[in-house]
Amino acid sequence: GESVGLHLPTLSVQEGDNSIINCAYSNSASDYFIWYKQESGKGPQFIIDIRSNMDKRQGQRVTVLLNKTVKHLSLQIAATQPGDSAVYFCAETLRSGGYNKLIFGAGTRLAVHP
Amino acid sequence: ETGVTQSPTHLIKTRGQQVTLRCSSQSGHNTVSWYQQALGQGPQFIFQYYREEENGRGNFPPRFSGLQFPNYSSELNVNALELDDSALYLCASTGGLAGGDTQYFGPGTRLTVL
Repeated sequence: GESVGLHLPTLSVQEGDNSIINCAYSNSASDYFIWYKQESGKGPQFIIDIRSNMDKRQGQRVTVLLNKTVKHLSLQIAATQPGDSAVYFCAETLRSGGYNKLIFGAGTRLAVHP
Repeated sequence: ETGVTQSPTHLIKTRGQQVTLRCSSQSGHNTVSWYQQALGQGPQFIFQYYREEENGRGNFPPRFSGLQFPNYSSELNVNALELDDSALYLCASTGGLAGGDTQYFGPGTRLTVL
């Protein structure tokens, strides 16, 4: 079926620590993946993306790793801050008949403690 | 901020009523997608509009319909509202020379059906 799932529903970290959020996807044909951050009462906010021809991409304090062999994505956040507290979703782009849609999982809640 | 706007912010309706939600896409984006996000879950794809036509649809009944206008803004209409339609409705814009593949989300409309 079409699904993007997450291994850990809740992740608690200390401020300053590094965070790793994991995600499994199910469609081998997917070629574009996005991590979104969603704060309470807001829409998903783009964090970082990666295409299937890459296995690593870095942004400001964030890194996304893609392992196509096992269909696994991870989001690494360096020096986690209280402002990073939110729900994080990975999304897989599924292309079909001339359109593309995002397949999301349920999300991982990241709680950053001072 | 993504430049994608949605209205209204909140809406309360009763079962059987009809509702229209509105979305303005980010400048330069010609494609709008709508998603439904139930509490505690990831967004689910409803449909996508490109050049004023629906070009893809998820597993939602026909009482969910939409429009896209020449300026690329869009409406989501839901008829015969049911209690389970209570959710956050998100629109995302992409495409055109400015957008590429990445879908950028608006803040959402919170619909409550009583």
